Amino acid sequence: GAVVSQHPSRVICKSGTSVKIECRSLDFQATTMFWYRQFPKQSLMLMATSNEGSKATYEQGVEKDKFLINHASLTLSTLTVTSAHPEDSSFYICSARGLVGEQFFGPGTRLTVL
Amino acid sequence: KNQVEQSPQSLIILEGKNCTLQCNYTVSPFSNLRWYKQDTGRGPVSLTIMTFSENTKSNGRYTATLDADTKQSSLHITASQLSDSASYICVVILQTGANNLFFGTGTRLTVIP
Repeated sequence: GAVVSQHPSRVICKSGTSVKIECRSLDFQATTMFWYRQFPKQSLMLMATSNEGSKATYEQGVEKDKFLINHASLTLSTLTVTSAHPEDSSFYICSARGLVGEQFFGPGTRLTVL
Repeated sequence: KNQVEQSPQSLIILEGKNCTLQCNYTVSPFSNLRWYKQDTGRGPVSLTIMTFSENTKSNGRYTATLDADTKQSSLHITASQLSDSASYICVVILQTGANNLFFGTGTRLTVIP
């Protein structure tokens, strides 16, 4: 099946710093990428949807200036958590959808903000 | 309101035993339903995909059923193994929309020796 990678797999940062997470579709072109956040023992919560070459669409309650999303190519999307705070600590998962509509999830990135 | 509910919330079974997880949904218009396995600290991995016309689909020891009339699905795990310990998430996909996935809250399965 198609592979989606995320980097880094885990990151620990100090409060106030910014963290960038990369999501790549390795063997297909992803016209749409999704970013999710998952807190312990909860299901995935969609944060934003991004289409290649256009601005991301954010879900209600998600600050677009805090969670910057860039989808510059058909195989790469990045999520930057700006001025991270401890409450931003979470598991961030991306997914990528190709032309045929199948959606594949990345392995996730564990963010811990001290 | 589009919702996906799963039960039980958590389940502990002995290795080698069978178990069945339930998923009820109110999502419409329905396109397909998927069961995912999510290991701790990992992303979800697809187990089965079923469309409206499919009643059952198997993937090794995993068998999913779908009743589109009652809007219910189940995932049956046969001869459980320790590696089956994970969260199992039911996801219902709409026919339309850029964001057309609706996630259940998952069932946390623990298989003990």
